[in-house]
Amino acid sequence: AQSVTQLGSHVSVSEGALVLLRCNYSSSVPPYLFWYVQYPNQGLQLLLKYTSAATLVKGINGFEAEFKKSETSFHLTKPSAHMSDAAEYFCAVSDRSGSEKLVFGKGMKLTVNP
Amino acid sequence: SQTIHQWPATLVQPVGSPLSLECTVEGTSNPNLYWYRQAAGRGLQLLFYSVGIGQISSEVPQNLSASRPQDRQFILSSKKLLLSDSGFYLCAWSSGGGNTEAFFGQGTRLTVV
Repeated sequence: AQSVTQLGSHVSVSEGALVLLRCNYSSSVPPYLFWYVQYPNQGLQLLLKYTSAATLVKGINGFEAEFKKSETSFHLTKPSAHMSDAAEYFCAVSDRSGSEKLVFGKGMKLTVNP
Repeated sequence: SQTIHQWPATLVQPVGSPLSLECTVEGTSNPNLYWYRQAAGRGLQLLFYSVGIGQISSEVPQNLSASRPQDRQFILSSKKLLLSDSGFYLCAWSSGGGNTEAFFGQGTRLTVV
């Protein structure tokens, strides 16, 4: 079975500081991995995805993530936080079975302080 | 372009009442469809998914059911709501093929009182 671990539930950074959101996965097959962002009372929006091409993936809004097989990680980063980045972020893994069920982590709420 | 519609946006229902949440997708055919529930601090839990009309797979035993009467319509139902059914329900679709992302609706906030 696949699983995703996002340790902690809340991270706080200052505007302009580095954003680092950690994600570790467990999968019996090479995974497809995703990061989604959710603003309050809204659905989820895809930030970026890894599908076995380049290990460094660039997404929207200046975010990027690096797939590290040896560490079973897919951490999300952004060099300089903006106030508009305040949201909840979810890491997810796909089972690649054709049903494309996504297994999500518990999410990480990002607060950006002025 | 493809769009997904989910309604209502918010719903307050008494315990024991029925439930029907509807989700429709436009601009694509034969999508995979999903219902997720989001509870505070628990991330997103997959409730049901469907790869075709009339084909429903349930991921967890619960007080809810799903149906897919048309290719791009997915309905979440309950005959009698429980307090524990409260949460944020999200419908999503994907196009199939294994490496494509899921696209989410705006969600329904259900409060059972």
